[in-house]
Amino acid sequence: DIQMTQSPSTLSASVGDRVTITCRASQSINNWLAWYQQKPGKAPKLLIYDASTLETGVPSRFSGSGSGTEFTLTISSLQPDDFGTYYCQHYYGYLYTFGQGTKLDIK
Amino acid sequence: QVQLVESGGGVVQPGRSLRLSCAASGFTSPFTFSNYGMHWVRQAPGKGLEWVAVISYDGSNKYYADSVKGRLTISRDNSKNTLYLQMDSLRVEDTAVYYCAKQEGHSSSFDSWGQGALVTVSS
Repeated sequence: DIQMTQSPSTLSASVGDRVTITCRASQSINNWLAWYQQKPGKAPKLLIYDASTLETGVPSRFSGSGSGTEFTLTISSLQPDDFGTYYCQHYYGYLYTFGQGTKLDIK
Repeated sequence: QVQLVESGGGVVQPGRSLRLSCAASGFTSPFTFSNYGMHWVRQAPGKGLEWVAVISYDGSNKYYADSVKGRLTISRDNSKNTLYLQMDSLRVEDTAVYYCAKQEGHSSSFDSWGQGALVTVSS
């Protein structure tokens, strides 16, 4: 099975900061990767799919990059509403694996 | 805008059964519920997301996480725009919020999610 490892596990940053979260796959997954944001008590929200395609309605400060085994989610200028936990997800065929999550706090 | 509403959660004893439902609405013509693969994803208290099961758009293909194989069964009724999760032989470790999620049309990511249904397995 493919394992997805996110880093860091927790992150604290200030409004306006550039924030990067990394997701590594245990083997190549091409670009079959999505990023989600989840706030406490709420369902996850899709931000990015196919590694770099921004979901409709998601602010352009979010971007995704990478292919193969290493991927990044970048928030170009952190906003107060961006707190929460971020998950990467690999999908291929009928295999779906989430990373363990990165909790982002606003300083 | 697609809306997914789960129901059927609750407290159940180990070894017993429970069935979750997920009612879907808000599809934009010509697309309907029957055009999309659907998933169940769960989240144990204080833990991360765990994919549980997927069913193809027509119900002909179903796949499960190893942790639930043989005990949980996904199904759908396209005439009722409803997704189901039959949960048998429940274990304490099945305690979680269960989300239904719709598969995005172009990729296999999950672009719409329900609000979640809490299932607590406890004696």
